[in-house]
Amino acid sequence: ETGVTQTPRHLVMGMTNKKSLKCEQHLGHNAMYWYKQSAKKPLELMFVYNFKEQTENNSVPSRFSPECPNSSHLFLHLHTLQPEDSALYLCASSHGPNSNQPQHFGDGTRLSIL
Amino acid sequence: AQTVTQSQPEMSVQEAETVTLSCTYDTSESDYYLFWYKQPPSRQMILVIRQEAYKQQNATENRFSVNFQKAAKSFSLKISDSQLGDAAMYFCAYRSGISNFGNEKLTFGTGTRLTIIP
Repeated sequence: ETGVTQTPRHLVMGMTNKKSLKCEQHLGHNAMYWYKQSAKKPLELMFVYNFKEQTENNSVPSRFSPECPNSSHLFLHLHTLQPEDSALYLCASSHGPNSNQPQHFGDGTRLSIL
Repeated sequence: AQTVTQSQPEMSVQEAETVTLSCTYDTSESDYYLFWYKQPPSRQMILVIRQEAYKQQNATENRFSVNFQKAAKSFSLKISDSQLGDAAMYFCAYRSGISNFGNEKLTFGTGTRLTIIP
């Protein structure tokens, strides 16, 4: 039990499809994050939410649309993706900016774009 | 902007031996945190150890310890008595110590793949 649960674990979709990734944390954290992990590249931060408010958008294309309805849930809505978007998408949570506690990660969603 | 560099894409070590993974970083801040995360084939990023920059004492967690050289901006991870379960990708990460929204993000290195030889 990681405390941060991501679904689905694997996703294959065409470029014209619309799908969503889901992340749920059971740790009572206030901040949630989306990262993209591509082969041989550092993890790239995509979005940060603190207390449901987006505080960081790291120049992510609009075909990725995050949603944070509450501090425990985070979604990443996908539409008209490109082949270069194939990657592992990791969700993380933490207590937030006023804490020195580390981020906790989920197992990720492996996304493949056909 | 902060950067984190891991110059060893791959490392291998004999089981029960000791191995050291390198990490350097660049920052103009004086207050920050450094982390080592482990990512096994199961993909979950697991925190291995962390270091507060204001602490001079090197952090240790059982078989894992760090050599934190603040002036040199170096943060290496030493794994003692290596075990088969230590095989994974290891990522070094930096986080600002300034408590503002947006500063809690992690900056990662490219990772080092560690293989344990039985």
